[in-house]
Amino acid sequence: QKEVEQDPGPLSVPEGAIVSLNCTYSNSAFQYFMWYRQYSRKGPELLMYTYSSGNKEDGRFTAQVDKSSKYISLFIRDSQPSDSATYLCAMTLTGGGNKLTFGTGTQLKVEL
Amino acid sequence: DTAVSQTPKYLVTQMGNDKSIKCEQNLGHDTMYWYKQDSKKFLKIMFSYNNKELIINETVPNRFSPKSPDKAHLNLHINSLELGDSAVYFCASSQDVAGKTDTQYFGPGTRLTVL
Repeated sequence: QKEVEQDPGPLSVPEGAIVSLNCTYSNSAFQYFMWYRQYSRKGPELLMYTYSSGNKEDGRFTAQVDKSSKYISLFIRDSQPSDSATYLCAMTLTGGGNKLTFGTGTQLKVEL
Repeated sequence: DTAVSQTPKYLVTQMGNDKSIKCEQNLGHDTMYWYKQDSKKFLKIMFSYNNKELIINETVPNRFSPKSPDKAHLNLHINSLELGDSAVYFCASSQDVAGKTDTQYFGPGTRLTVL
């Protein structure tokens, strides 16, 4: 079993829908949580970054961390076709330097 | 202006060959990484260098040898290539701030196919 689990999808939604992407993890020592977006044939790019529990909002994107449930979420409001990509959650330990542990990614398709 | 660049973008080679992938970053970062992404999109760290010093070395066959000639470059040499080495290899870099996890910037990837 992987340390970080993520539904691979694909997830297909109509334009304008609210999208919910999730990850669960097993190591309670993870403290930093990130969401990366990866377009086809491109490298991942950082979308959201959260320390410990709580919410963080950036435009149409909201990241939530629930450490008690070992569960993180990314919400996308008013989804656009340009949001079609693979979304990877990642996390790291306090003092763990920059060793990121990634989920397997969820492929999202936003259709017109 | 490319921040993290990799060459080549595509690499097709026969089993048993030796090949290298090069990575350069112009962000002035102290730390560089190599990741492997398999066919199921699972991204796993292989190595990390900070100021030319190896700091992360995951369980990777010793056929894989990273080399950092300076802090802006991190190359990956692979000996005796096997079918299972086929994957996309990503280089990344970050600014190293003590006690803080910083953003990693990824290159475009090198798609390696071993025949």
